[in-house]
Amino acid sequence: DSGVTQTPKHLITATGQRVTLRCSPRSGDLSVYWYQQSLDQGLQFLIQYYNGEERAKGNILERFSAQQFPDLHSELNLSSLELGDSALYFCASSIGQSKWETQYFGPGTRLLVL
Amino acid sequence: AQTVTQSQPEMSVQEAETVTLSCTYDTSESDYYLFWYKQPPSRQMILVIRQEAYKQQNATENRFSVNFQKAAKSFSLKISDSQLGDAAMYFCAYRIQGAQKLVFGQGTRLTINP
Repeated sequence: DSGVTQTPKHLITATGQRVTLRCSPRSGDLSVYWYQQSLDQGLQFLIQYYNGEERAKGNILERFSAQQFPDLHSELNLSSLELGDSALYFCASSIGQSKWETQYFGPGTRLLVL
Repeated sequence: AQTVTQSQPEMSVQEAETVTLSCTYDTSESDYYLFWYKQPPSRQMILVIRQEAYKQQNATENRFSVNFQKAAKSFSLKISDSQLGDAAMYFCAYRIQGAQKLVFGQGTRLTINP
C-alpha cells in the first residue's frame, strides 16, 4: 500500500458524459501527478500540482481539467467523454518537486466509456 | 524527444533463475534519475528500484539490481532467484532535472514458470 488513495476504483459511463476522479496523496506529500495508461499510448503524464498550484502539463486534452484543494487532495475532471478516453488513470504523489523524489502511485481508477 | 525503449515486450524465466530486462533511453540531459516500476495484475504501480545518473555504482535492492551504462544510455534490471510473485509488467522510467513528469517505456511482461 503506497498510501495514495484513489476513488472510485472503477467507473463506467457513456460517451459525452463528465466524470470526476479523486486522489488523496500520502500524508505530508505536497505534489500530485496524474497519469493515463491506455493500450495504445502507454503511460503518459497528464498534469502536476504542487501545494494547490499547477506546475507542469503534459499531454492533457482540453476536455480534461484538474485541481488540487487546500487539503491537498486532487480531482481530475474528464468531460465530453469519448470511447478513446477509456483507460486506467493513476494519481501519484511526492513530498515536493525535486527530481530525486520518488513518485508513489495510487491503485488507479479504471474508466470505461461505452 | 525524450524516449524510453523497452525492446522486450515479453520475457519468461524459470522460478529461482535470473532474468534481465532491457531498457534504453534517449536524452541530452546529464542530470536525471532512472526508475523501474512493477505493475502486477492488481494494476498497482510499485517502485522496484531507482538509480541516480551521477552515481557510478549500480543500485541494488535485495534480489533486484540494475546495470546502468550512462554512455550507452542503458538501464537494465536484473532479477535474481525469480519468484512467482515477480510476475508482472515492468516499466522503465526516467525523470530529468527541471521536469516533473516521469517518462515511461512501453513495458515488459515477465512470466515466471514454476
